[in-house]
Amino acid sequence: DSGVTQTPKHLITATGQRVTLRCSPRSGDLSVYWYQQSLDQGLQFLIQYYNGEERAKGNILERFSAQQFPDLHSELNLSSLELGDSALYFCASSAYGGHPDEQFFGPGTRLTVL
Amino acid sequence: AQKITQTQPGMFVQEKEAVTLDCTYDTSDPSYGLFWYKQPSSGEMIFLIYQGSYDQQNATEGRYSLNFQKARKSANLVISASQLGDSAMYFCAMSTTHQGGKLIFGQGTELSVKP
Repeated sequence: DSGVTQTPKHLITATGQRVTLRCSPRSGDLSVYWYQQSLDQGLQFLIQYYNGEERAKGNILERFSAQQFPDLHSELNLSSLELGDSALYFCASSAYGGHPDEQFFGPGTRLTVL
Repeated sequence: AQKITQTQPGMFVQEKEAVTLDCTYDTSDPSYGLFWYKQPSSGEMIFLIYQGSYDQQNATEGRYSLNFQKARKSANLVISASQLGDSAMYFCAMSTTHQGGKLIFGQGTELSVKP
């Protein structure tokens, strides 16, 4: 158990819908990362937050947005969903949000868009 | 640009034997770190081992060791005495000082351990 929690574990929805994925970091960790794992793109970094502020952005679509709240939990919002958004979404946390912090991964949320 | 390459999509190894999973990387940042993660069929990402670019010795963690060859830009994972439970996807990843903490992943290698 990494100490990072993600809810829900599974999500099935339809194209055009909007969903919210939630992540709680390990106790004491200030930084949260979101990654997407899909069959065609592999594991890709989406976005990073540190203590409530966006720190880095990767290959995140404009239809996707995220935030980190004062209690340090984070949410990833996916809207106008397409079939290609079906993937495993990981949240990871680290203490300071920089190199070479070890990142601890949550169990992931498996999103299926029908 | 930073890049991680894993050229072995799948590997087989006999139980109790050692296996090497290849990873090459590309970065112009002199300060970087290399990570290996294991992803079993259940889907979670399990951290295995870390090697920093300035570390003088190869990292070891139990049955896992990292064969770090800086001049060749390779960071191969060696698993000794393979067990059936080692069957999983293995990902090599990199972070650099200038890129912050984000990880760049390779495509992964699927390891199957045969009894």
